[in-house]
Amino acid sequence: SQKIEQNSEALNIQEGKTATLTCNYTNYSPAYLQWYRQDPGRGPVFLLLIRENEKEKRKERLKVTFDTTLKQSLFHITASQPADSATYLCATSPSGGYQKVTFGTGTKLQVIP
Amino acid sequence: DADVTQTPRNRITKTGKRIMLECSQTKGHDRMYWYRQDPGLGLQLIYYSFDVKDINKGEISDGYSVSRQAQAKFSLSLESAIPNQTALYFCATSDSDSKGKLFFGEGSRLTVL
Repeated sequence: SQKIEQNSEALNIQEGKTATLTCNYTNYSPAYLQWYRQDPGRGPVFLLLIRENEKEKRKERLKVTFDTTLKQSLFHITASQPADSATYLCATSPSGGYQKVTFGTGTKLQVIP
Repeated sequence: DADVTQTPRNRITKTGKRIMLECSQTKGHDRMYWYRQDPGLGLQLIYYSFDVKDINKGEISDGYSVSRQAQAKFSLSLESAIPNQTALYFCATSDSDSKGKLFFGEGSRLTVL
């Protein structure tokens, strides 16, 4: 079955450094990969989407890579700020028809001032 | 105002009671979803609807039912609540070619005693 793995351990990083979160998927080849941000007790908020034929996508301080050979995505936040502290969810979806979204369990990021 | 509104935000109930969680959206999207989130688990899909006449079971539909009253309204019912249905429930919407880009509500925290 489709499975997404994200590091369940929290990631603590010093303010100003680059945070890198990892997402690995197994047993399938998604057409799209998404990253969401979730604050405690709140709904996930969509951040970025990358397609299988794209290697890298950027949005302001965020960068996502998608390596279909390694079946892995990396999510980078440069010049991290305490306000970036949250749980980040990786998700994938297929092409065509019903694009069912499969979510990972998320990695909690804590940016220390 | 939020684009995806869920009510109630918090609810405590007893085993065996019938509970309805409601979701309304102003995004004009055709597709609506109900997810459940438990600590340490990814978001799990309960039901999804592509339009008013199209409702489909997700991964964990047992014990739940839904109603799509209008394009903008999608409600989730627990006919006879049980303690292991204690969880955070999210409604989400998307357009027909979302590529996995979902818009979530703020969540409904349900506790079944």
